[in-house]
Order: sequence, then structure tokens, then C-alpha cells
Amino acid sequence: AQRVTQPEKLLSVFKGAPVELKCNYSYSGSPELFWYVQYSRQRLQLLLRHISRESIKGFTADLNKGETSFHLKKPFAQEEDSAMYYCALRGAGGGNKLTFGTGTQLKVEL
Amino acid sequence: NAGVTQTPKFRVLKTGQSMTLLCAQDMNHEYMYWYRQDPGMGLRLIHYSVGEGTTAKGEVPDGYNVSRLKKQNFLLGLESAAPSQTSVYFCASSHGGGTEAFFGQGTRLTVV
Repeated sequence: AQRVTQPEKLLSVFKGAPVELKCNYSYSGSPELFWYVQYSRQRLQLLLRHISRESIKGFTADLNKGETSFHLKKPFAQEEDSAMYYCALRGAGGGNKLTFGTGTQLKVEL
Repeated sequence: NAGVTQTPKFRVLKTGQSMTLLCAQDMNHEYMYWYRQDPGMGLRLIHYSVGEGTTAKGEVPDGYNVSRLKKQNFLLGLESAAPSQTSVYFCASSHGGGTEAFFGQGTRLTVV
């Protein structure tokens, strides 16, 4: 079975402060990990994926297989980063299915 | 490009009523999915389809049925709605092979 855990329901930071959204996963094989973001009243959209190893909107995430983690980080939070963030895992099973975590609401305060 | 479009955006049902949610995608994707989003529970997969004419159960399929008669459409049916089905429903689609999933704007369903 595959599982994604996001331990924080809400993370509140001040503008300019560093951000780290935690994600841990449970999967026996080699997973693909993703971060999706949902801004207020908008649809979910892909933020980044571990295989791309890219930085989007200043966010980065590194897959740590030893700790089974895929934490999302940004050095300086911006007000427009306020949103719901979901970590997701795609395993090797058929259907290309994504398993989502419960999400973390990021609130960036001025 | 419309991407993934869900109809309707909002709906209120009485317990026991039936309804169908429509998802349409114009990206020629093989895979389509229906998720429900509930506070504190994230997104949970209801049913999915790997191609026209195929459907499969996800994590929480009970009380729902689906059909994929055309490649671009994926229908989610509630035969007898229950208050526990009050949720926000998201449709998504993707190509195969580990590609990005694209989501619709969601349907907010309330069952009273």
C-alpha cells in the first residue's frame, strides 16, 4: 500500500521567512513524487515533480529515499504563496494513479 | 484550450436523489479520474479510467458509478445521494507514462 503523510494542516509564516512544508511517504518501490498547489478558488495545478529537479516560483523539493521524504522548501515566503499544498505519490501500479496527502494550508502573513 | 471542464460547478441534492457529474477533456488524454476532496482528508480517488470503455475502482468507490463511453468524457453518477457524499469533486486527466495530471475546476455538491 502507498501512503502520503503531511503532518501539518496549517503552516503560518511571515513574509520573507523560510518555508518548509513536510511530506513523508510509504511505498515499497521507487515512487514518483509531486507537489500540487491550489490557490483560493482555483483548480489544483502541478507545482513540481522530483524527476525534474527544477525550481518553480522559488520552491524546491528533494527526494530523500533514506528518510522517505519530499519536503517542499522556499527560502523567502511571499504573500502570493498562500495556498493549499498537496504532496502526491505515483506508484508503479496500473492506471497512473496519484495518492495524495491531506494537504497543508500555507498562510503567509505580512 | 479548455483543458478539463466539469459540469455543473455547484449542486444541492436532497437525500435519495440521483445526479450525474460530467467531466470533459480536450487534450486527448487516455487516463481520467474522479476524486473527492474533504477537509482534513485531502483528495481520495473514487474511480478512474485508463481508456475509452474502461473503468476501475479507486479508494472510495461505494455509492458511485462511472462511465467512459467517449474518450473525452468521464461521467460520475450518484444513484441515491447521501449526506456523506457532500464534498467537492474533482476530475483529472493525463497521458500515460507518468505524465502530469490536469484538474478540472471542481464541483461543489451538497446533499441535504
